[in-house]
Amino acid sequence: DGGITQSPKYLFRKEGQNVTLSCEQNLNHDAMYWYRQDPGQGLRLIYYSQIVNDFQKGDIAEGYSVSREKKESFPLTVTSAQKNPTAFYLCASSTPPGTTQNIQYFGAGTRLSVL
Amino acid sequence: DAKTTQPPSMDCAEGRAANLPCNHSTISGNEYVYWYRQIHSQGPQYIIHGLKNNETNEMASLIITEDRKSSTLILPHATLRDTAVYYCIVLASNTGNQFYFGTGTSLTVIP
Repeated sequence: DGGITQSPKYLFRKEGQNVTLSCEQNLNHDAMYWYRQDPGQGLRLIYYSQIVNDFQKGDIAEGYSVSREKKESFPLTVTSAQKNPTAFYLCASSTPPGTTQNIQYFGAGTRLSVL
Repeated sequence: DAKTTQPPSMDCAEGRAANLPCNHSTISGNEYVYWYRQIHSQGPQYIIHGLKNNETNEMASLIITEDRKSSTLILPHATLRDTAVYYCIVLASNTGNQFYFGTGTSLTVIP
């Protein structure tokens, strides 16, 4: 059953705490992405990675960090520096740029709230 | 960097065709038109994409005008499960990173 798995589905963060959101894919995609979605808004790009051990900042990277040690995994850490972390976080993956099928496939999302 | 304009909301009667418009007047020659939809509290789902020819798949049809400045997504027989926010995105196939999701069109299918 191929796809993108995000965990947990719901996550609560205490003040000053770092939390890590998991994203795993078995689609053999090279590129992976993290987006943030606030209520009633579209998606905003946080970080993306085109290949293992390489990643780039998106439009709203401040307060977040990522790693890409394996092709299948692209975890996102929401650090204590992110002062407004409450949002819906979405992970996606796609085939490499330059292919005609530049389609992003999304996970089910993680909803993060602050206690 | 909003490259597309969509109406904020639309209604459609169940069983009728839903026609969702999108304006992309600044589209470049190498940019494709993609459509995604997002059902409440779920991840976006890919629907269809095209460059300049009309496209059809099991979910929908995509009609792109000859000048490529606008397109229409057609759901031929809308069901209640098609109630969702629909996003129109333009993207060059060789960039692979910046999918700009605006606020889309909230489609409500009415029984």
